[in-house]
Amino acid sequence: QSALTQPASVSGSPGQSITISCTGTSSDVGAYNYVSWYQQHPGKAPKLMLYDVSDRPSGVSNRFSGSKSGNTASLTISGLQAEDEADYYCSSYTSSYTSVFGGGTKLTVL
Amino acid sequence: QITLKESGPTLVKPTQTLTLTCTFSGFSLSTNGVSVGWIRQPPGKALEWLALIYWDDDKRYSPSLKSRLTITKDTSKNQVVLTMTNMDPVDTATYYCAHRGRIWGSGTYYDYWGQGTPVTVSS
Repeated sequence: QSALTQPASVSGSPGQSITISCTGTSSDVGAYNYVSWYQQHPGKAPKLMLYDVSDRPSGVSNRFSGSKSGNTASLTISGLQAEDEADYYCSSYTSSYTSVFGGGTKLTVL
Repeated sequence: QITLKESGPTLVKPTQTLTLTCTFSGFSLSTNGVSVGWIRQPPGKALEWLALIYWDDDKRYSPSLKSRLTITKDTSKNQVVLTMTNMDPVDTATYYCAHRGRIWGSGTYYDYWGQGTPVTVSS
């Protein structure tokens, strides 16, 4: 299984919205609504931000939202804040009953 | 409160076998539906999923690393052990264990993570 494809970097100004895409195949992203997103600050462990495409764990801001169309999932962050600057990773369940992560996207808040 | 902590050697030599232990609290791997996974991250690179073990001892492995990985559990000690054989410098990474958030059904996401343990492969 190949890693999911994410843009290497995205940027936005405080208050703006950004979207990070995550493209897989019909054997992973396209097969199930089991896409999750993680935020990782430097030197820290990843933090779950979304699961099952668009569900937010308790405590995660509603500024974070998710969607999926075909083989591509997306994470949208609205009302960008300085604290959102981090690396973001998508992950998907696969038809082989395993998991696969994306290559990661570095978000810069200008 | 769920917590996980990884432990193991920080330095291994090429061709050696790596053994990592994940010690957890706040849940039991004898409870139906519970599972624990391992994920690694080379320095400056992306996360890579490695393996998952379920409460019923079912196991899943990364297809690309399956021949080198073994995941086991010790329910009495609240531990999950990952072994990786024939270590190579490209296996240098921080290794994380994590609690699978879904209890029932398919699909995997990780809601609690350990702090990670760095492993360097070098002679």
